[in-house]
Amino acid sequence: AQSVTQPDIHITVSEGASLELRCNYSYGATPYLFWYVQSPGQGLQLLLKYFSGDTLVQGIKGFEAEFKRSQSSFNLRKPSVHWSDAAEYFCAVVTYSGNTPLVFGKGTRLSVIA
Amino acid sequence: GAVVSQHPSRVICKSGTSVKIECRSLDFQATTMFWYRQFPKQSLMLMATSNEGSKATYEQGVEKDKFLINHASLTLSTLTVTSAHPEDSSFYICSARQETRDRIQETQYFGPGTRLLVL
Repeated sequence: AQSVTQPDIHITVSEGASLELRCNYSYGATPYLFWYVQSPGQGLQLLLKYFSGDTLVQGIKGFEAEFKRSQSSFNLRKPSVHWSDAAEYFCAVVTYSGNTPLVFGKGTRLSVIA
Repeated sequence: GAVVSQHPSRVICKSGTSVKIECRSLDFQATTMFWYRQFPKQSLMLMATSNEGSKATYEQGVEKDKFLINHASLTLSTLTVTSAHPEDSSFYICSARQETRDRIQETQYFGPGTRLLVL
């Protein structure tokens, strides 16, 4: 069964510092990969997605992610974190065969300090 | 990106009553919508897959008779929590799949969620 692992439950970074959130997946075929962000009490907003092609994808709010097939990873990065980036981040994977739903990681909570 | 709305955003009800939550895709049609439940500080738990014009597919352990799902149109799915009890209090989130012709590069967009509190 496919699974998604986000090894870091909680990360704290200083404002202006760089950020990398880790995501590893387990799946036999090439999955389609997503990062979503959730602010407290809100739904999920799509940050970026990877289907095929260039393995470095750009998203909204200055985020990017790199798909590394050899490492089964899809890590999210941002060169300079802003206080408004504090939120919960979810990595998700899906394959499209019928109505297969997204499989989510457990999430990483990002705190930003001054 | 595509927009998904949910209504209501918050609801408080008495134990034993039923609550209906609406999920709408505002600028695209969605044959498939999903309903999730989220507990505090946890990830999303898929409850069911809602298919337009057919019965929903429920995940193991989710009571079909308690969580009624109706996907009557390509832009609307509803979740009705019947005879709600305090343990049903939670954050419910829906998502809608924006489909492409090749049925490959499809993306799920999420609603803002509904906070249900059962007293």
